[in-house]
Amino acid sequence: GAVVSQHPSRVICKSGTSVKIECRSLDFQATTMFWYRQFPKQSLMLMATSNEGSKATYEQGVEKDKFLINHASLTLSTLTVTSAHPEDSSFYICSASRLGMAQDTQYFGPGTRLTVL
Amino acid sequence: LAKTTQPISMDSYEGQEVNITCSHNNIATNDYITWYQQFPSQGPRFIIQGYKTKVTNEVASLFIPADRKSSTLSLPRVSLSDTAVYYCLVGPQNTGTASKLTFGTGTRLQVTL
Repeated sequence: GAVVSQHPSRVICKSGTSVKIECRSLDFQATTMFWYRQFPKQSLMLMATSNEGSKATYEQGVEKDKFLINHASLTLSTLTVTSAHPEDSSFYICSASRLGMAQDTQYFGPGTRLTVL
Repeated sequence: LAKTTQPISMDSYEGQEVNITCSHNNIATNDYITWYQQFPSQGPRFIIQGYKTKVTNEVASLFIPADRKSSTLSLPRVSLSDTAVYYCLVGPQNTGTASKLTFGTGTRLQVTL
């Protein structure tokens, strides 16, 4: 149990286009989902916290108009990278927290590799 | 969230026990210690979590001294497939809401024959 999926696993796009990444909790409900970004050889950096039915909370330095997050249901959160540029190329990872549980039950997705040409 | 300090990298031979120590001098009373494992191009995977003394599961053991200012992840008899980055995190649990996780640099473990 506690499986989190991401789609797509890999995407290549042209500069200026928008890309949507989906994060789904497959067998549990997640009130909170988190979005991270990871550059090569670096640690995960939290971008935003997504709560079902409310606006996402962005970390300092993360542009909310560029990284649009929607958490429309208890099993789905989406991250849209708008007007992507080569510097947005990165590995994007989501995690989902089980309803009613806390820190040790954050389950991570497999990640999405975004390459912007 | 308490800041953590880990060695950047470690090397081990297959079959050996590996101990990775994490320092968290500013750990708060209600903070727990959690370790994650990450393989290249994959999301992190939960390994073990503890509050004090010793915790053991089928994968690893976690040793936490009385002052809780550090913790040691112990991997018994590592294999090549244990080559990964290991992250130590500290933060509150059972607050009623999901807590943010702040990842440090992690420890890159390389296991060879």
